[in-house]
Amino acid sequence: DAGITQSPRHKVTETGTPVTLRCHQTENHRYMYWYRQDPGHGLRLIHYSYGVKDTDKGEVSDGYSVSRSKTEDFLLTLESATSSQTSVYFCAISESAGDETQYFGPGTRLLVL
Amino acid sequence: GDSVTQMEGPVTLSEEAFLTINCTYTATGYPSLFWYVQYPGEGLQLLLKATKADDKGSNKGFEATYRKETTSFHLEKGSVQVSDSAVYFCALSVYGGSQGNLIFGKGTKLSVKP
Repeated sequence: DAGITQSPRHKVTETGTPVTLRCHQTENHRYMYWYRQDPGHGLRLIHYSYGVKDTDKGEVSDGYSVSRSKTEDFLLTLESATSSQTSVYFCAISESAGDETQYFGPGTRLLVL
Repeated sequence: GDSVTQMEGPVTLSEEAFLTINCTYTATGYPSLFWYVQYPGEGLQLLLKATKADDKGSNKGFEATYRKETTSFHLEKGSVQVSDSAVYFCALSVYGGSQGNLIFGKGTKLSVKP
C-alpha cells in the first residue's frame, strides 16, 4: 500500500470556522491531489500540486486553499467552513501526470454544523 | 469537456452471478481509462487500467477492454463473490489535459448476496 495518511480522519466543526486537513506521503511522489466525494457526484478535484509551492485549481476550488511547503505534505484549508463543505475528502498522489495511477489516502470525514 | 458516464446503481446480485457495469466516456485527447473500487469506510483502490485502444485490463477476476470505437470501458466479472460488494468508479485521465487529474463517473454500488 502506498504510504499516504490523512489527518484528522473525522472532524466536526461549526459554520464560519477555519479548518485545515493534512495529507502526508512517504512515497516522494511529485503530484498530490485533493478530492471531495459527495453522493451523486462521485469524486471531484478541488486542488492539485505538481511540486513544492506549485499548485493549481481543480473543478470545485471555491472556498478552499492549499499549500505545499514540503514534498511530503499537502494541506487543504477551508477558510470559513460552510455546510455545503460537509463531505468526505480524499488525498491522492501520483509520480507523474497523464496515465499514471493515482493512489488514495483513507479519507477525512468532515461535518460542518 | 471530458466526462465519464457509468450505469447507476445500486446493483444487487447473487453470489456467482455475472457482473457487468457499463462505462462510456467523452474525451478530446487520448485518455487512459481506469476502474477504481471503494470498499466500505475506505479510500479508493485501483482495480485495473488500460492506456490505449484495444488494451484489456484485468485484476482479481475483473476485466475491462478499452473500446475506442464505442468509447466504452465496461467492467465485467464472471462470478462475483460477497467480498466484491463495494462501490466501483470508472475514470479517465487525459495527458496534457488538466495536469493529469482523474475525471470520475458517479460510482456504481454493488451488493452481492450469499
